[in-house]
Amino acid sequence: AAGVIQSPRHLIKEKRETATLKCYPIPRHDTVYWYQQGPGQDPQFLISFYEKMQSDKGSIPDRFSAQQFSDYHSELNMSSLELGDSALYFCASGNGEHYGYTFGSGTRLTVV
Amino acid sequence: AQRVTQPEKLLSVFKGAPVELKCNYSYSGSPELFWYVQYSRQRLQLLLRHISRESIKGFTADLNKGETSFHLKKPFAQEEDSAMYYCALSRRGSTLGRLYFGRGTQLTVWP
Repeated sequence: AAGVIQSPRHLIKEKRETATLKCYPIPRHDTVYWYQQGPGQDPQFLISFYEKMQSDKGSIPDRFSAQQFSDYHSELNMSSLELGDSALYFCASGNGEHYGYTFGSGTRLTVV
Repeated sequence: AQRVTQPEKLLSVFKGAPVELKCNYSYSGSPELFWYVQYSRQRLQLLLRHISRESIKGFTADLNKGETSFHLKKPFAQEEDSAMYYCALSRRGSTLGRLYFGRGTQLTVWP
């Protein structure tokens, strides 16, 4: 079965650069979530979208923005990167048929 | 405010021994509780959700509203159970609301 696809798998950026992370949800899933997991930390919710509209917002820095497109894929744009942005970024998708949702394998961002 | 507490950061047991990973929560409403497992920093995988009252890979978890707990249990641990386990909470009614995670418990099962 198709899963949540995230790209790239790994990304290395320098401070003050920008990065774009992509997430392709499971077909027919209408909701996308972004989580950030720092080294040794629990996942922290960043932002979510339902039917291409922002549905919830967590501890997402102002330097970050995200959107969900007409094909339901989502992109997380990160600007003015800082060393502390180094983390594993998970995307998850879900629909209204069941509780819980499916996570992607994550994008490991390293800021140097 | 909602909070999920996993008091044990590390837990080690021998193969065949029972294991219990503790999870306590605080939330003023009715929560939905989940257990997620993460093998070697891979993707988070849903292990259990309290509403389905199922047993996955021999694991069970019962929601105890009086003690506000959702402990994960397995009577006989296996080496392949070694992983990071996260307890998570979502607000009931918000079917696909955000998850609030605990800090996680790293389970190691020794041969």
